[in-house]
Amino acid sequence: EAQVTQNPRYLITVTGKKLTVTCSQNMNHEYMSWYRQDPGLGLRQIYYSMNVEVTDKGDVPEGYKVSRKEKRNFPLILESPSPNQTSLYFCASSPGQVLYEQYFGPGTRLTVT
Amino acid sequence: GENVEQHPSTLSVQEGDSAVIKCTYSDSASNYFPWYKQELGKRPQLIIDIRSNVGEKKDQRIAVTLNKTAKHFSLHITETQPEDSAVYFCAAAGAAGNKLTFGGGTRVLVKP
Repeated sequence: EAQVTQNPRYLITVTGKKLTVTCSQNMNHEYMSWYRQDPGLGLRQIYYSMNVEVTDKGDVPEGYKVSRKEKRNFPLILESPSPNQTSLYFCASSPGQVLYEQYFGPGTRLTVT
Repeated sequence: GENVEQHPSTLSVQEGDSAVIKCTYSDSASNYFPWYKQELGKRPQLIIDIRSNVGEKKDQRIAVTLNKTAKHFSLHITETQPEDSAVYFCAAAGAAGNKLTFGGGTRVLVKP
């Protein structure tokens, strides 16, 4: 089944404790992206990647890191999480090197206390 | 950068009526405009999209129109059904096709 998966789905952590949210797709898509969703603010793009080893900043990259060592995986890293990073996070992928026809993962709800 | 505004923020319609959601964007170079539907507790799902070389696109009960001169685009849902109740997001992507900016969302409630 073609899909985008994220792990974990729910995470409660404390300020400053490094964490990684994994994202994987099995559709051989080249484009992958991370978004955060906050009430009243809609979805905002954090980082995106058009291909292996190619990543770039979205609109809200501060406090996040990403890597793209393999085509199928695009982990989101929070080196020192803070309470303002409490949010719902979505990974997405698209065929080709642009974001047309994005498929979203199921989401990761992160709470930082 | 790109700025996308979406109106209204909430919309209540009677089953069978039409619903219209409007979005404006700021970057005249934007050339891809998707619409996503997000049901409660679920992921956003692409329902229709339009590219800048097309003025209108239709898929069954859903249609999108684009006015590049005025920099606005709209989603039209006809013959609404209770399962159309959800939050709808518009978005715009720049010419490079790599950055996507979303509107704030419209919560649609279809009353039976």
